[in-house]
Amino acid sequence: GAVVSQHPSWVICKSGTSVKIECRSLDFQATTMFWYRQFPKQSLMLMATSNEGSKATYEQGVEKDKFLINHASLTLSTLTVTSAHPEDSSFYICSARLGAYEQYFGPGTRLTVT
Amino acid sequence: KQEVTQIPAALSVPEGENLVLNCSFTDSAIYNLQWFRQDPGKGLTSLLLIQSSQREQTSGRLNASLDKSSGRSTLYIAASQPGDSATYLCAVEPRGQNFVFGPGTRLSVLP
Repeated sequence: GAVVSQHPSWVICKSGTSVKIECRSLDFQATTMFWYRQFPKQSLMLMATSNEGSKATYEQGVEKDKFLINHASLTLSTLTVTSAHPEDSSFYICSARLGAYEQYFGPGTRLTVT
Repeated sequence: KQEVTQIPAALSVPEGENLVLNCSFTDSAIYNLQWFRQDPGKGLTSLLLIQSSQREQTSGRLNASLDKSSGRSTLYIAASQPGDSATYLCAVEPRGQNFVFGPGTRLSVLP
């Protein structure tokens, strides 16, 4: 089946620094990728929809200047958390759409901001 | 706005029991519904996908049903095992859009 990878799988950074998370569709092209965030013991919440070659669409309450999304190719979307703060510590998961019907999830990236 | 709820929030059963997890959604205009498993600190494992035209899907000891008109889905786990312990997430997908996830059911199967 289709595989989506994320890198890194976990990262620890200091408050005020920026962190980039990559989401790759390994064996298919994805015109649309989604970024979700999951806080401890909570469910996944959509942050933004990333479309190849265009600007991402952010959900209400998600700061677009803080969470920069770039979908530069059909197999890669990146999420950059700028000026990270402890409250940004979370589990970030991406998914990639294959055609019109199927969507595959990455393994997630755990971000800890100290 | 689509909302997804899951009952119960947590469940603890002895090994070998059959169990049912429930999922409800408010808008029946969905493209598909998917059940996932999530182990602590890990990503999602897709268990079963039910397209809107289908009423159920089966995989091994798992059976999921979908009743779009009533906005409900159930996940049936037969002969539960300690290895089934995890959080089970129900998610619905409106046409061509992102998934909307439920809060999950935390399952513990005791040996």
